[in-house]
Amino acid sequence: EVQLVESGGGLVKPGGSLRLSCAASGFTFSNAWMTWVRQAPGKGLEWVGRIKSKTDGGTTDYAAPVKGRFTISRDDSKNTLYLQMNSLKTEDTAVYYCATQRSGSFDYWGQGTLVTVSS
Amino acid sequence: QSALTQPASVSGSPGQSITISCTGTSSDVGGYNYVSWYQQHPGKAPKLIISDVSNRPSGVSNRFSGSKSGNTASLTISGLQAEDEADYYCSSYTSSITWVFGGGTKLTVL
Repeated sequence: EVQLVESGGGLVKPGGSLRLSCAASGFTFSNAWMTWVRQAPGKGLEWVGRIKSKTDGGTTDYAAPVKGRFTISRDDSKNTLYLQMNSLKTEDTAVYYCATQRSGSFDYWGQGTLVTVSS
Repeated sequence: QSALTQPASVSGSPGQSITISCTGTSSDVGGYNYVSWYQQHPGKAPKLIISDVSNRPSGVSNRFSGSKSGNTASLTISGLQAEDEADYYCSSYTSSITWVFGGGTKLTVL
C-alpha cells in the first residue's frame, strides 16, 4: 500500500524558513517523480513544484510564486522527499501535500501538513 | 500561469448526470493530453479520479468519465450518489513545464 506522510509544518514568521519532509513507503521511491501541491485555507489547489527521479535526471521545476525561494530535494536512501522553504511570506500559508507523479497526473497523496506564516 | 476556469458550483439530484467543464488555453489543456481530475472531500486529501484526459485509475467508479475538446476538458459523473458530493479540481500540464489547477467546483447532491 502506498503511503506518504508529510511532517515539518508549523508556525513561522514572515521571512523565516521551514523544511517539510514526506516519508514514502509501499512503492519504489527512487523510481518515482514526486510533486508538492499546496492549498491555502478555504482555497483551491496550487502546484508548487516537482522533482524527477535520479534516473531521469533528478531535475526540478517550480511554480513562479515560489521559484528562487523553495527547493525540492530527495534522499532515495531514506525514501524521503523534502521541501525547503525560505523567505516565507504570509501568502505561503497553506496545507502542503506531497504526491507521486505518473505521466501528467498526481496518483497518490499524503494527508498534508499545515504551514502558517504569521507574525 | 493563470488557473484553469471551472464553474464554482454545480448540483444534481441522485441518479442524474452532471458535467463539470475546465477551460484553459492552447498552452495547457488544448496542447497536451495531460489533463487530470481530482475529488476532494472536506478535510481530506485530493484523490485522482481521471488521468490523461479520460483514463480511470483502478478502483475508481465507472460513473466517472473524462473528455476533452479543444481547450476545454470535461468531467461527467453519471448516476449521482450522495457520496459524490465534494470539490472537484482539474489539472493540466503547461508549455512552461509546470502544472496548473482549476479553481475547483463544489458539487452538491440535492
